[in-house]
Amino acid sequence: DGGITQSPKYLFRKEGQNVTLSCEQNLNHDAMYWYRQDPGQGLRLIYYSQIVNDFQKGDIAEGYSVSREKKESFPLTVTSAQKNPTAFYLCASTRSGGTNVLTFGAGSRLTVL
Amino acid sequence: QQPVQSPQAVILREGEDAVINCSSSKALYSVHWYRQKHGEAPVFLMILLKGGEQKGHEKISASFNEKKQQSSLYLTASQLSYSGTYFCGTSPGNTPLVFGKGTRLSVIA
Repeated sequence: DGGITQSPKYLFRKEGQNVTLSCEQNLNHDAMYWYRQDPGQGLRLIYYSQIVNDFQKGDIAEGYSVSREKKESFPLTVTSAQKNPTAFYLCASTRSGGTNVLTFGAGSRLTVL
Repeated sequence: QQPVQSPQAVILREGEDAVINCSSSKALYSVHWYRQKHGEAPVFLMILLKGGEQKGHEKISASFNEKKQQSSLYLTASQLSYSGTYFCGTSPGNTPLVFGKGTRLSVIA
């Protein structure tokens, strides 16, 4: 079955450490997205990529970095510069030229100790 | 700019109806509705593309007033399985969706 796989599901990190969240899709979708979810805040866009080797900042990109070397993969690195990284992170994808209906992964919950 | 959803939370008894509203300060090309169960990924419910369009999904339907830049989600004869947080996502064109803060719906027996 096609879908989006995020790993790890739960991650604990000490302050000052970088951590990378994995996102892989086998839907043959062109566009991929990272959203951050905090209680009561909805989903906020971190980064998105519409084609390989290209990506754009979203509304809250500071302290995060991404890469898009392959169509199927869009990893997110939470750097030590992110002031408040504890959150639920959701990866999503859409096919290009469509109506932007998002398919989400199951999410990764990051906790900074 | 983030669309505004109302109410923030609502509690229903099984069989009751509810309306969730979503409004934007920007002209909209599309409005999406998603539902998220606690700890899970959001799941797509429906998309509305034209002004005045109304779409249905079992006992859940939605309308989109392009002129007023508003959309409403209608849940009729609610079931326990309808519980969750409902998000609207809006886009003025071919840009990523911007989501509202969500409406928490609790259906009790």
